[in-house]
Parts: sequence; structure tokens; C-alpha cells
Amino acid sequence: SSELTQDPAVSVALGQTVRITCQGDSLRTFYASWYQQKPGQAPILVIYDKTGRPSGIPDRFSGSSSGNTASLTITGAQAEDEADYYCGSRDSSANVIFGGGTKVTVL
Amino acid sequence: QLQLQESGPGLVKTSETLSLTCTVSGGSISSNYYWGWVRQPPGKGLEWIASIFYPGYTHFNSSLRSRVTISVDASENQISLKLNSVTASDTAVYYCARHGDHADYGKIDNWGQGTLVTVSS
Repeated sequence: SSELTQDPAVSVALGQTVRITCQGDSLRTFYASWYQQKPGQAPILVIYDKTGRPSGIPDRFSGSSSGNTASLTITGAQAEDEADYYCGSRDSSANVIFGGGTKVTVL
Repeated sequence: QLQLQESGPGLVKTSETLSLTCTVSGGSISSNYYWGWVRQPPGKGLEWIASIFYPGYTHFNSSLRSRVTISVDASENQISLKLNSVTASDTAVYYCARHGDHADYGKIDNWGQGTLVTVSS
């Protein structure tokens, strides 16, 4: 199956902007989704279909995509945004695939 | 509001079969969505296991396919997972999940709370 690649960790100052990227060949064909996971909790969907945002997700979370790279941007990061973030998608064989996750630390 | 609740033994012996059930409330298992299972070993990332579309269209992670059975019971509004010949590497939190609609299969928009399954002799 295809792979998605994420940076393992990133830090951002409180109130500043951070971008997390996800690379993979399948992203040229299929949309990326982004999931937030806090310790001891299940993941939650924060961005889907490249730019969609489920109800209840703050508008400081946004998504974009170009070529084989999808990005999640947190504009004005808050302390509660500290979490692991996973990108996800599918490949042409209907495998559901996830990136390895990016740990976001808010300083 | 859609809710997914996993249930099953928290401890399984090496070489035996792991069996989990996900009970869905607030929505129908026979609606236009895929339902599936994702696991997460302690301290590690997410791994998709398998998914099913009622009444029985299935997709499997190729690395697990030979050991996995996924099924749906519409009368109980449940999906089930069986993973046989388990080893310690199958120790993980197992999540029940709902995908987006048929055209948005790559998205998982609802997750259960997860259940930890430990494999030990």
C-alpha cells in the first residue's frame, strides 16, 4: 500500500501559526483528512476533503493541498491544540492509510 | 448523535483469537457508509485493519488480511472483528470507526473511544 510521510514533531509559540505537512503519492489522486489526538483519547477529525472542517472545529484549523503534499495550518495556536496530528487518506487499492503522526508542542 | 462503542476481552492469550464488537447507536449500520477498525499500539501511530460496507463488501490491510474477519449484523446494529493467531505485536487500542460516505471512503468522521487489548501468554 502507499505511504504518507509526516515530520515527527514541531513546536509553536502560543498564538503563532504552525503548518504541518503530509506527503504521499496517493495525495495526487485522493483527498487528505487530518486527525487530532490528545493523550488517552480517540482521534477526532479536524479537516477533511482537503479544506472541509467538521462542525465544532475552530476556524483556526485550515487545510490545503498541492501535488503530493497536504498541509494542516493552525493559525493562532492555543494551549489546547497541543496534540498528535495524523494525516489520512486512501490509495487506489482501497487501503486506508495514515501518516506516522506529528507531535505539536505549544510553547 | 452517532456513537460507536467497542466491547470485548481486554486480555487475549498468544496464538488465540481476538474478538471485538462495535455497537452503533444514533445511526444505522446499513446506511451508505463504510465501517471499520483501526488500531494503535502503545506509543505508536494509527494502523487501519479492515472495513465493511453493508451487506458485506470488504477491504483489508494486506499485511493482516490472512488473519482478519470483519462482519456486520444489521439486526443488532453491530460490526465485529476477529483477528486470529495473535502475538504480542497485536497488543493495541482498537478503535471502531465510521468512514465518510461511499465516495469519501478515505475519511473517518466518527471514532469509538477505543478498547485496549493486551496479548500475553
